[in-house]
Amino acid sequence: EDQVTQSPEALRLQEGESSSLNCSYTVSGLRGLFWYRQDPGKGPEFLFTLYSAGEEKEKERLKATLTKKESFLHITAPKPEDSATYLCAVQGFTQGGSEKLVFGKGTKLTVNP
Amino acid sequence: EPEVTQTPSHQVTQMGQEVILRCVPISNHLYFYWYRQILGQKVEFLVSFYNNEISEKSEIFDDQFSVERPDGSNFTLKIRSTKLEDSAMYFCASSDGLAVSYEQYFGPGTRLTVT
Repeated sequence: EDQVTQSPEALRLQEGESSSLNCSYTVSGLRGLFWYRQDPGKGPEFLFTLYSAGEEKEKERLKATLTKKESFLHITAPKPEDSATYLCAVQGFTQGGSEKLVFGKGTKLTVNP
Repeated sequence: EPEVTQTPSHQVTQMGQEVILRCVPISNHLYFYWYRQILGQKVEFLVSFYNNEISEKSEIFDDQFSVERPDGSNFTLKIRSTKLEDSAMYFCASSDGLAVSYEQYFGPGTRLTVT
């Protein structure tokens, strides 16, 4: 069964203080690893897809990396508007081509001004 | 920018009543999904739908649940007889199926409260 574990559960940063969020996963065969941002009471907002170990993607202050067992979301010089819950999800290769996403519980990031 | 929309934003219903949650996926997308998120818990997969039929469903998606694409734009989730434990945020998502891994775009959600 595919599983995703995210750490830490919560992270408080000062504005400008860079850090990383971790996503550890087990999956029978990785089709894709996804990062989403979720604001309170809203739906997940797509950020990145990573397909294979060694891949990296960047968007503004965010950079996602992938190894065979985990992914990191690096946040460089964060601003208060980066405060949100960041969700990691995996999609595995299964018989019949399952499309379902398996999510972690998320990391709640708070950036103080 | 195209987006997934959902109505209503909040639905309050009594236990045992039927509810229908509505979604309008992104217009050129072919794959549709429902997920739910109980307060404080993970986002959980319910069902995927392609070519007018269910392609996969989770253990949560029992006989009380059904999905339908009644026309070319809407995608609905029906809960036949709601239970207290059905209270959650329900998210609709869609994908175009063109990418290798079916990137999914989510709507804003419907908060279902069962009393």
